[in-house]
Amino acid sequence: AQSVTQLGSHVSVSEGALVLLRCNYSSSVPPYLFWYVQYPNQGLQLLLKYTSAATLVKGINGFEAEFKKSETSFHLTKPSAHMSDAAEYFCAVSKSGGYNKLIFGAGTRLAVHP
Amino acid sequence: GAVVSQHPSRVICKSGTSVKIECRSLDFQATTMFWYRQFPKQSLMLMATSNEGSKATYEQGVEKDKFLINHASLTLSTLTVTSAHPEDSSFYICSARDPPSASYNEQFFGPGTRLTVL
Repeated sequence: AQSVTQLGSHVSVSEGALVLLRCNYSSSVPPYLFWYVQYPNQGLQLLLKYTSAATLVKGINGFEAEFKKSETSFHLTKPSAHMSDAAEYFCAVSKSGGYNKLIFGAGTRLAVHP
Repeated sequence: GAVVSQHPSRVICKSGTSVKIECRSLDFQATTMFWYRQFPKQSLMLMATSNEGSKATYEQGVEKDKFLINHASLTLSTLTVTSAHPEDSSFYICSARDPPSASYNEQFFGPGTRLTVL
């Protein structure tokens, strides 16, 4: 079975500061991992995904994440936060291989203050 | 590409009525669609997986007769909340995937539907 733990339900950073959102996964088989962003009253938008190729994955809007098997982690980072990054971020895991469901973490709300 | 729409975006109804929510893939054929429910400030909970032309697969604890799902075409899936009650009030989100995205499990999400049952 797969599961995802996002440490920190709320993260607050200053504009221009480093963004670090934590995600740890549990999976009995090699996983695929995803980060999605959700703005208020909207659906989810894919930021990036890991599907067993490069362990450092670059996504949209300057975000990147690194798959670390030894730490069972897939933390999301951005060097410099913008006000527009304020949103809810979800980490998700699936089994590797196709046609599998996504299991979502509880989400982390990112606040960016001036 | 890979745009998913939902209609309506918001719906308010009286207790006991039924509500239908549509999910459409606008620029691709969705062999599989998913329906999620999201309570305020919580994560997404998968309700059911819908494959075109076959019955939906419901997650444990989801009432099949309460939440009717139809995936009649490769671009449309509908969720009908039957005899809605206030506890059914929630944000419902659909997602879809096409054969290429299915190989790595990516899903494309709709904008969601806010259901309020009075």
